[in-house]
Amino acid sequence: GENVEQHPSTLSVQEGDSAVIKCTYSDSASNYFPWYKQELGKGPQLIIDIRSNVGEKKDQRIAVTLNKTAKHFSLHITETQPEDSAVYFCAARQTGANNLFFGTGTRLTVIP
Amino acid sequence: EAGVVQSPRYKIIEKKQPVAFWCNPISGHNTLYWYLQNLGQGPELLIRYENEEAVDDSQLPKDRFSAERLKGVDSTLKIQPAELGDSAVYLCASSLNQGNKAFFGQGTRLTVV
Repeated sequence: GENVEQHPSTLSVQEGDSAVIKCTYSDSASNYFPWYKQELGKGPQLIIDIRSNVGEKKDQRIAVTLNKTAKHFSLHITETQPEDSAVYFCAARQTGANNLFFGTGTRLTVIP
Repeated sequence: EAGVVQSPRYKIIEKKQPVAFWCNPISGHNTLYWYLQNLGQGPELLIRYENEEAVDDSQLPKDRFSAERLKGVDSTLKIQPAELGDSAVYLCASSLNQGNKAFFGQGTRLTVV
């Protein structure tokens, strides 16, 4: 199966600064990489995703980059706000399969 | 459009007792997943349904866990008997079909005492 590693496990930034979370995956057959945000007591919420035929995708303050050669992808949040504070999970899905393999999560704290 | 609905939100039971969780996926979503999330970890797949068929249940501990999705819509996940180590959040997710975005419910937090 797929093995997804995520770093860092915790991240604190000042409001307005940028935050970057990185993930690596093991299976070169993986072709879909979503990011989820999970607030306390809630289920994971899909915030952005990228497929392997694209190197970068942006949605307002959030962007994801993918390096297929190195098998890593990153989440970038710019102009962070206190409401961005949550646990963020990356995930990967293999071609032809339908199971998402998740990283262990990054707890982001945005300090006002 | 309503999201994935799960109930109950919280459940506390004594060990060796049975427990059941219910999930109503997003309308029209053929694929339904049950995930287990331990504290401080990412979700891990227990079982995946395509309509009413369980197509991936390799991670489901079949000695005590069972699931069903009889009409290809709602699903229930059951544990009998529950053990202390089953304390976790049980998440349900759905997607339109294979290869599409997966959306999660709020989860059921199970505490076994």
